[in-house]
Order: sequence, then C-alpha cells, then structure tokens
Amino acid sequence: AQTVTQSQPEMSVQEAETVTLSCTYDTSESDYYLFWYKQPPSRQMILVIRQEAYKQQNATENRFSVNFQKAAKSFSLKISDSQLGDAAMYFCAYRSAGFYGGSQGNLIFGKGTKLSVKP
Amino acid sequence: IAGITQAPTSQILAAGRRMTLRCTQDMRHNAMYWYRQDLGLGLRLIHYSNTAGTTGKGEVPDGYSVSRANTDDFPLTLASAVPSQTSVYFCASSDRQSRAFFGQGTRLTVV
Repeated sequence: AQTVTQSQPEMSVQEAETVTLSCTYDTSESDYYLFWYKQPPSRQMILVIRQEAYKQQNATENRFSVNFQKAAKSFSLKISDSQLGDAAMYFCAYRSAGFYGGSQGNLIFGKGTKLSVKP
Repeated sequence: IAGITQAPTSQILAAGRRMTLRCTQDMRHNAMYWYRQDLGLGLRLIHYSNTAGTTGKGEVPDGYSVSRANTDDFPLTLASAVPSQTSVYFCASSDRQSRAFFGQGTRLTVV
C-alpha cells in the first residue's frame, strides 16, 4: 500500500525568507503523480504544485518549487520569499496513474505540516 | 464557475440521527470522492465513485454510505451518527489530467 509521510508537524519561517517542507512516500509503482496542497484557515484545499513521476524536471509555480527525488522517494516543497499569506497547513499527496484499490485518481495524503510566517 | 458545492457548510447533529451531506459538481468529472479530515490524521478516503452508477469503499467506510445516481451528485449519508464521526468532510472530483478539485468542506459535530 502506498503511504505518504510528512515528518514536520509544524514549521516556521520569517517573512521574505525561504522554507522547505519535507515529504517522503512509499510505493512500488513507477507511474504516479505527486502534489502539494495548501489549506488556509478558510478550509479550502488549494493545489499548489503538481509533479508527474515520469518527468525528471522539477515542477515550479512562481515562488513554489519542488525537489523530486524519485529513487529516494522524496518530494519536498520549497517556498521562496515567504509571505504572510503562505501561512497554512500544507499537505503532500500521492496519486496512482491507474487504479488503486479500485479507485481511479484517489489521493493519499500525508498528515500535514502547519506553516507559520513571522512578520 | 461553481466547481464543487457542498451543503451544509456546518452542522451540529444529535447522536443517532440520520444525516446526508450533499455534493454537486458542474465539471462533468467521472471520478468523485468523499474524504474526512481529522486533526493530526490528514485526509482519509471514505468512499469513491469512478463513474455514475458505481461506488466503492475507501479507507474508513464504516458508518457511511454513498450513491451516484448521475454524474453531478454524490451524496454521503450517515445512517446513525456517532460522536467519532465528528469531522470536516470534503467532497472532491478528479479530471483526466489528474487534478483534484475540492468543495469547501462540511464541518460536522455529533453530540
């Protein structure tokens, strides 16, 4: 069974600094997707970044980038120039490319990292 | 653009009562899901549906049922609510590009 582990329950960063959130996963599959979701106090789940496992190039979305190490099964999120609006829970998630346990496209989530941004 | 709409947004429910959480999407996605979110546990899959007319059990299905009579609607029913079902519930759908879209969540408190 696939699992996702986020080893940092809480992180803190100074405004304008850079922070890296860690995520590791376990799978025997070769084709899959990885995601980072942001959940601010509004409760809305917001997709931050998406990585396709068969692409070696790390995904980037503005100030957000990932370090995808397929062999190590590691998928960290780097937030550059942190802003107060980045304060939120961040979830790492895994998705099989095909069917998993009968479900197509189900996301498997880590337990989350709460990020605080200090002004 | 509505995306996924959940109702109600919040509810306090007496133990033993029956409750249906509603979920409607306007994106014509085949795959839909119900997750529950609990502090320190992340989001866990309750039930899923790969297409209209089919449903399946996720990681934590006990005490919940779903139906998928059409593409747009995917209601979640608690037949007899218990306090351990106090949680935030998210409905989601998935498109062919593997992107998941979430509703705004329902905060349910069972007392």
